[in-house]
Amino acid sequence: SSELTQPPSVSVSPGQTARITCSGDTLPKQFAYWYQQRPGQAPVLVIYKDTERPSGIPERFSGSSSGTTVTLTISGVQAEDGADYYCQSTDTSGKYRVFGGGTKLTVL
Amino acid sequence: EVQLVESGGGLVKPGGSLRLSCAASGFMFSSYSMNWVRQAPGKGLEWVSFISGSGNYIYYADSLKGRFTISRDNAKNSLYLQMNSLRAEDTAVYYCAKEGFGELSPSLDYWGQGTLVTVSS
Repeated sequence: SSELTQPPSVSVSPGQTARITCSGDTLPKQFAYWYQQRPGQAPVLVIYKDTERPSGIPERFSGSSSGTTVTLTISGVQAEDGADYYCQSTDTSGKYRVFGGGTKLTVL
Repeated sequence: EVQLVESGGGLVKPGGSLRLSCAASGFMFSSYSMNWVRQAPGKGLEWVSFISGSGNYIYYADSLKGRFTISRDNAKNSLYLQMNSLRAEDTAVYYCAKEGFGELSPSLDYWGQGTLVTVSS
């Protein structure tokens, strides 16, 4: 099985840029996906295939990849962006899905 | 509009069994792979199981050790999770999630609201 590692928390002031990282040995070979989960709600997909944004997701959300690390960037953070963020990928076979431990984004 | 509605959660004693259901609508159910994902109280997301659209391919998280069984009934647009030998650590909200197609796979593009399973004596 594979593992994905995220920082437990990130804090940023409104209007600033938040960067949330996700590291894993399989990330050079497998795409990463990012989800936002607000308290009491189901997760929502915000980035797929490392860098692509689903329809309806604001342009301030973007993704990037470099080696074993993928990054979710939120530019011009708004209060409503305060949530838990999870990266997801698969093992090298593509069969087993795996989530990172999650990062709590606090908007100060 | 895609809708996923889970049911079947509740309180069960350790060692007991429970069957979760997920009713799907708003898309061609048989064409899409589906997943179960769980979240223990105050914890992160944990992938549980995957089933392909036809039901021919099924995968489970290693941690389940054969206690859970995923299935689907495409005629009824429904997904199921049979959970046996339940333990306290299985206590979680269980989400049904639709997998994206093509370049969106294996992301989970739609989720239900979840059903709470509590394992306690």
